[in-house]
Amino acid sequence: GQNIDQPTEMTATEGAIVQINCTYQTSGFNGLFWYQQHAGEAPTFLSYNVLDGLEEKGRFSSFLSRSKGYSYLLLKELQMKDSASYLCAVRDHYGGSQGNLIFGKGTKLSVKP
Amino acid sequence: DSGVTQTPKHLITATGQRVTLRCSPRSGDLSVYWYQQSLDQGLQFLIQYYNGEERAKGNILERFSAQQFPDLHSELNLSSLELGDSALYFCASSVGVGEIGTDTQYFGPGTRLTVL
Repeated sequence: GQNIDQPTEMTATEGAIVQINCTYQTSGFNGLFWYQQHAGEAPTFLSYNVLDGLEEKGRFSSFLSRSKGYSYLLLKELQMKDSASYLCAVRDHYGGSQGNLIFGKGTKLSVKP
Repeated sequence: DSGVTQTPKHLITATGQRVTLRCSPRSGDLSVYWYQQSLDQGLQFLIQYYNGEERAKGNILERFSAQQFPDLHSELNLSSLELGDSALYFCASSVGVGEIGTDTQYFGPGTRLTVL
């Protein structure tokens, strides 16, 4: 089956670092995406990993371990505007539907002053 | 602003009715994807079109259908609406079929459907 797990909620302090974990079990794997979604708004693309290791992009980094079915999103120097839901999505790889994204339910991050 | 547009922004209708949601992809994007997001289910993939042809189908009910027109805009038709169909409906677009490299999906602002 297809399963993507993320913590439901997290709280962190402004200026701190937070790590949001994602574990997945899918029938295939063709890349992992992280999206940010503010309440009631569209998801916006943050990062993409297809090979093991760390991808860094400014204050945001994402890590992937394919053998463990595990990824994390690291947010540094937290700002109040980072309060949002963070969605982990795996691009599956089967049959003729290789572009599909399977999303986790998202982690709601609250940044406190 | 992702460049993907969706209309209408909000839609309120009654059970049993039929509605049409519209999406225009970013300029140059050939794929359009439809997703449903409800509070308890997260983002669920419904269907993908690529250059006018259906490419992939997810958890789309038989009461729902979609198409992509020659100008690449897409419409999602929802019929015999039920209370449980109340959700945010997002459309996304990407350049290719979404299978290679980043080929990021860019999301539109969504249509909030309320079925009373």
